Parts: sequence; C-alpha cells; structure tokens
Amino acid sequence: GQSLEQPSEVTAVEGAIVQINCTYQTSGFYGLSWYQQHDGGAPTFLSYNALDGLEETGRFSSFLSRSDSYGYLLLQELQMKDSASYFCAVALEGGGGNKLTFGTGTQLKVEL
Amino acid sequence: ETGVTQSPTHLIKTRGQQVTLRCSSQSGHNTVSWYQQALGQGPQFIFQYYREEENGRGNFPPRFSGLQFPNYSSELNVNALELDDSALYLCASSLGRGSSDEQFFGPGTRLTVL
Repeated sequence: GQSLEQPSEVTAVEGAIVQINCTYQTSGFYGLSWYQQHDGGAPTFLSYNALDGLEETGRFSSFLSRSDSYGYLLLQELQMKDSASYFCAVALEGGGGNKLTFGTGTQLKVEL
Repeated sequence: ETGVTQSPTHLIKTRGQQVTLRCSSQSGHNTVSWYQQALGQGPQFIFQYYREEENGRGNFPPRFSGLQFPNYSSELNVNALELDDSALYLCASSLGRGSSDEQFFGPGTRLTVL
C-alpha cells in the first residue's frame, strides 16, 4: 500500500530554521509535493520535487532523495505567520498525475 | 484572475440525506479534483475530472459521485449520508492533470452529518 510519514508536531522560535521530514512508500513515484494549510484555510502549494536535490523558493526549500524515499521541507527565518500544518504528498498509487495522497500533516508552532 | 470558489461554506445534514457541493475552478483550469479532509488528517482523494470526464477515483464508495460541466465547474454529490462523512470537502483546480500541475484549492465546504 501507499503511506507517507511525517512528524505530527514541531515547535520552533521566531527567526530559527526548521526541517520537516517526510518518508514515503509508493510505487510509480512521480514526485513529492508540499502544501501549507492554516487553521480553517485552504491548502496552498509550496513546492514540487520530481528529481533528487534541493529546490529553493525564498525562505522555503524542499529536498528529495528518491533512492531513500525521503524528502524534507526547510523553513528559514521563521515568522509567526508560518504557524500552520504542512503536508507532503505523492501521486496516488496507480493513478499518477496530480491525483494526490497526502500525509497526515505536521503542525508547526512558531513561538516568540 | 478568479480563484477557486466553493459553496456552501457550511452545511448540516442528517444521516441518510443527500448533499450536493459545488466548485468553480480557477479561470483557464480544465481539471478539478475533490478531496475529503477529516479533522486532524490530511486530505483524501475522492476523484478527479478532466474536461468533463472522470479521470481517476480514490477509495470512496459509489454513493460519492460527481460531475464536471462545460465551463469546468464541478459538483460532488453524496447520497445516503453517514456520520463519518462529516468533514471538510475541498476542491482543487489545475491547468492540467500532469504530475507537476499545481493544484489550487478552494476554501472548502464544512459538512456536518447528525
């Protein structure tokens, strides 16, 4: 079957760097996506990695290692507004494309 | 550019009833996906529509059905509601159905089944 594992909760202070890990088990891997969701809000796309390596977008970076079935989201210069849930996602097994299976999410709390 | 909109925002139904949720996709997007998100969980894929045809389905029973219209808006219908159907229902539109096609999510419809 298909599964994604993430830590359930991470706490960090404003200005710090935090890494949210994701390990996955799936066949027919197409890429790893990351989404952010504030309480009561819509998930918003952060990044997509199809190939091994680091992708950087402003304060956020995402890394993928296909051989290790592992990726992470790195958030730098943390701000209070970064407090949210973060989900990794892979294409639905047997489905492909952008039909996604999401992890259970990591709740990030940024403190002063 | 208009974002993804969903209606209604909240809905309360009783067990056994039927419900229709609506989604207007972002301008220019021909693909709509529906997800169910239970409290404290990640979104679960229900199905996807591409140019008015179903393009894949997750592990949901047939009482979950959908439609996509020529303007690419979409409906999710759920028959014979069960208590476990209580969740946030999200639709997401994208330019296409490829693995790198970013999905833009709507604000969701919060369904409560009593």
